[in-house]
Amino acid sequence: DAKTTQPTSMDCAEGRAANLPCNHSTISGNEYVYWYRQIHSQGPQYIIHGLKNNETNEMASLIITEDRKSSTLILPHATLRDTAVYYCIVRSTSYDKVIFGPGTSLSVIP
Amino acid sequence: DAGVIQSPRHEVTEMGQEVTLRCKPISGHNSLFWYRQTMMRGLELLIYFNNNVPIDDSGMPEDRFSAKMPNASFSTLKIQPSEPRDSAVYFCASSYVGGELFFGEGSRLTVL
Repeated sequence: DAKTTQPTSMDCAEGRAANLPCNHSTISGNEYVYWYRQIHSQGPQYIIHGLKNNETNEMASLIITEDRKSSTLILPHATLRDTAVYYCIVRSTSYDKVIFGPGTSLSVIP
Repeated sequence: DAGVIQSPRHEVTEMGQEVTLRCKPISGHNSLFWYRQTMMRGLELLIYFNNNVPIDDSGMPEDRFSAKMPNASFSTLKIQPSEPRDSAVYFCASSYVGGELFFGEGSRLTVL
């Protein structure tokens, strides 16, 4: 079973920041938080990952709480092309089984 | 790099026929994953390999499904005999151990 829980769906106005939450209360010390998204019927695409520090790249920012039990993916200026299903997963560097939950379906509204 | 390459992109077959899906991972990656996606069940992990060795096949639905990885650059997922409930999109993904997954474009299977 997936070790994360996410809201089923969210809406966001175009141009605004999209904040997607994820709970991973049973995360272990050697597990990273990864985010992927799946646009329409394409294969999931990697967005960002982190261990305990906040991370930022050209696509998004990842905020991880100090206790590491939850995180938030931030798309700073959502566009219509960001409409997708967003998956939050935890993954150990030493154990390779990668389980995807149902994710959050984000709709960016004009 | 061309990314993860899957074939065929689309397959339509009749119940009872054998289906073989193929995957070429990204060169240098040592982990390979097969997933199945349906509306009802989402993205399910079927099996994964490390260094060409199957590590966990607990997600393989039944004996009709089998997967092989004869070398680092090729893997197959076979369904024999196929059934209508096997209709789904099958994704292959590869990665370095513990790294981000790179997915192929998927193989859409329809069993009539």
